[in-house]
Amino acid sequence: KNEVEQSPQNLTAQEGEFITINCSYSVGISALHWLQQHPGGGIVSLFMLSSGKKKHGRLIATINIQEKHSSLHITASHPRDSAVYICAVRSLDSNYQLIWGAGTKLIIKP
Amino acid sequence: KAGVTQTPRYLIKTRGQQVTLSCSPISGHRSVSWYQQTPGQGLQFLFEYFSETQRNKGNFPGRFSGRQFSNSRSEMNVSTLELGDSALYLCASSLAPVTQGYEQYFGPGTRLTVT
Repeated sequence: KNEVEQSPQNLTAQEGEFITINCSYSVGISALHWLQQHPGGGIVSLFMLSSGKKKHGRLIATINIQEKHSSLHITASHPRDSAVYICAVRSLDSNYQLIWGAGTKLIIKP
Repeated sequence: KAGVTQTPRYLIKTRGQQVTLSCSPISGHRSVSWYQQTPGQGLQFLFEYFSETQRNKGNFPGRFSGRQFSNSRSEMNVSTLELGDSALYLCASSLAPVTQGYEQYFGPGTRLTVT
């Protein structure tokens, strides 16, 4: 079993829909990251969370430390949100290195 | 402030050759980490440098090496290239070592194709 599991693997939605991407992890962590990767490869860090909830524009990230679960929400989704969203945890067991989820490929249709 | 830059962006090499990739961190950042991303394995940690010293290393063979210069720029070298080394190599910088909880900022990556 992977230490970081994301769901769904693929998600296609219509413009304007509310999007939720989930991340579960099995290791002790100091922080959890949500990142966005567009075609072409570049990665952008969206959030770094250690507790609670963060909001940036239409993006909201939450984390439940007890349940070892995080969600990334996108409100009023737009085709430009189409990208791969990656969850990564900074593991206490691996000298604080990032352990990456496999990513969720999101396509927003106009 | 300029972001993390990586050169070259694309590279094609043949098996057995060696390659050097370069990463310039955000000004003021002293920690540089390297990651490999392949379709089959996802993102994997290669190594982290801070103040010209390797702080941490992932599970990669000795063909993968790196270094960091006094201006915090870092290079990654892969010798005796294999087909399986074809990947996107990402560099990330942060103010201080990742163990201190600073956020990492990623570069655009270098896409290496080995034929």
